[in-house]
Amino acid sequence: NAGVMQNPRHLVRRRGQEARLRCSPMKGHSHVYWYRQLPEEGLKFMVYLQKENIIDESGMPKERFSAEFPKEGPSILRIQQVVRGDSAAYFCASSRGTGTTGELFFGEGSRLTVL
Amino acid sequence: AQKITQTQPGMFVQEKEAVTLDCTYDTSDPSYGLFWYKQPSSGEMIFLIYQGSYDQQNATEGRYSLNFQKARKSANLVISASQLGDSAMYFCAMREAAGGTSYGKLTFGQGTILTVHP
Repeated sequence: NAGVMQNPRHLVRRRGQEARLRCSPMKGHSHVYWYRQLPEEGLKFMVYLQKENIIDESGMPKERFSAEFPKEGPSILRIQQVVRGDSAAYFCASSRGTGTTGELFFGEGSRLTVL
Repeated sequence: AQKITQTQPGMFVQEKEAVTLDCTYDTSDPSYGLFWYKQPSSGEMIFLIYQGSYDQQNATEGRYSLNFQKARKSANLVISASQLGDSAMYFCAMREAAGGTSYGKLTFGQGTILTVHP
């Protein structure tokens, strides 16, 4: 049973470039969440998606950040024109359903470094 | 106001001893879930234990147990018989059933670094 798969694990970008982070949820999971972890901090919710739908993007910066979860393929978190402050670990998590029961499984994270 | 508070930036414990990591939460939602995750130095987030707000008994998973005191709004993690491999960052998190919709998202605390000494 493959877990939540994220790639790339490490990504280096120069200021102004674009970063694309991919997440394949666990088999049978249709709910995907993206979180950001700045150095020395806890994870902060960014966005919650189901297939082809953004359900809650209340944690997403208003500009430069976007997320999608197409019918086929992985979920993508896209950061345009990256700045040094975007350097962080980006975690994807998936769950089978909703509600307050059940586990949320995390991927190993993608670590973005902006030079 | 902080929704999840972990007041211990760092904790030390002797191998084979038990340790309690504190977590208090704040919510007006009657239905919520509390989680603990472990983040070793390699960076991945490892799920440890879950407690639902309506669960009558404290959750246990092997050496991990959750001391859930609903009236005090605390959900402390107890690790029994600590091992060197338990050295890591530990995060407490809460998921609320937001306003009638059935989805939730996790709010994390700042974390506690646990160091297990031989």
